Amino acid sequence: QSALTQPASVSGSPGQSITISCTGTNSDVGSHDLVSWYQQHPGKVPELIIYEGSKWPSGVSNRHSGSKSGNTASLTISGLQAEDEADYYCCSRTRAGTFVFGSGTKVTVL
Amino acid sequence: QVQMVQSGAEVREPGASVKVSCKASGHTFTDYYFHWVRQAPGQGLEWMGWINFYNGDSDSVQKFQDRVTMTRDTSINTVYMELSSLGSDDTAVYYCAGELGGSYFFDYWGQGTLVIVSS
Repeated sequence: QSALTQPASVSGSPGQSITISCTGTNSDVGSHDLVSWYQQHPGKVPELIIYEGSKWPSGVSNRHSGSKSGNTASLTISGLQAEDEADYYCCSRTRAGTFVFGSGTKVTVL
Repeated sequence: QVQMVQSGAEVREPGASVKVSCKASGHTFTDYYFHWVRQAPGQGLEWMGWINFYNGDSDSVQKFQDRVTMTRDTSINTVYMELSSLGSDDTAVYYCAGELGGSYFFDYWGQGTLVIVSS
C-alpha cells in the first residue's frame, strides 16, 4: 500500500496558521473518520496530537485542529510557535484492517 | 501511567533475523492491540503490522507478510516482532505502539529499537 500524500514541507512565521494536507483514497482516509496525527521532534518518539480526525488527547494543545473532506484530511496549527517545529504524520486505518501513514511533513517556523 | 520499554539496539548481517521485544506496564492490556512501526534513517514512519494481545491474532502489510512474525507473552506483558531475511534497507528504528482495541490510533509508544543491517 502506498503512503498517504503529504506536502514535504510547510513553513510559517510565529503567530500564523498553517495547514498540512493528507490525501488518500476511498479505501482509507475517505472510508471513515479515523485519521490520527502524530508530531515527531528530531530524535524523539512520535506523539499523538489528533485522533478520530478532530479530537484532542488530554494534555495536547488545542492549537492543533483536524478536519476532513472526502479523501483528504487536514491538520491546522494556529498561533504557530517555535515548539511546533517538527515532523508531522497522518495515519489512517484502511478498509482491509491495516494502517498506513502519510509521507510526513516538516514544519519550519521562520 | 502506561510505559512501553523496548529491547536494545541490534546489529545483524544481511540474511539474518532479528527479534525485538516491547514490555508494557501500567495497565491491563487484554483489550489492546500492539502495532509495529519502523522508521529508516531520515525517512518517514512505516506501519508494519499489529498483534492482538488477548488472543495473539496478528496481521501485517503485504510487504512484510513473508518475513515478519509477531508474538506475545501475556505472563510478562511483552510482545515481540521478529523480522527475517534482513537486507540493508531494513536498517531502521523499530517502534512498538499501543492501541486500545477499536480506537484506531496509537496513544502509547515504546522508545524505539535501532536495528542496523550491515556486513
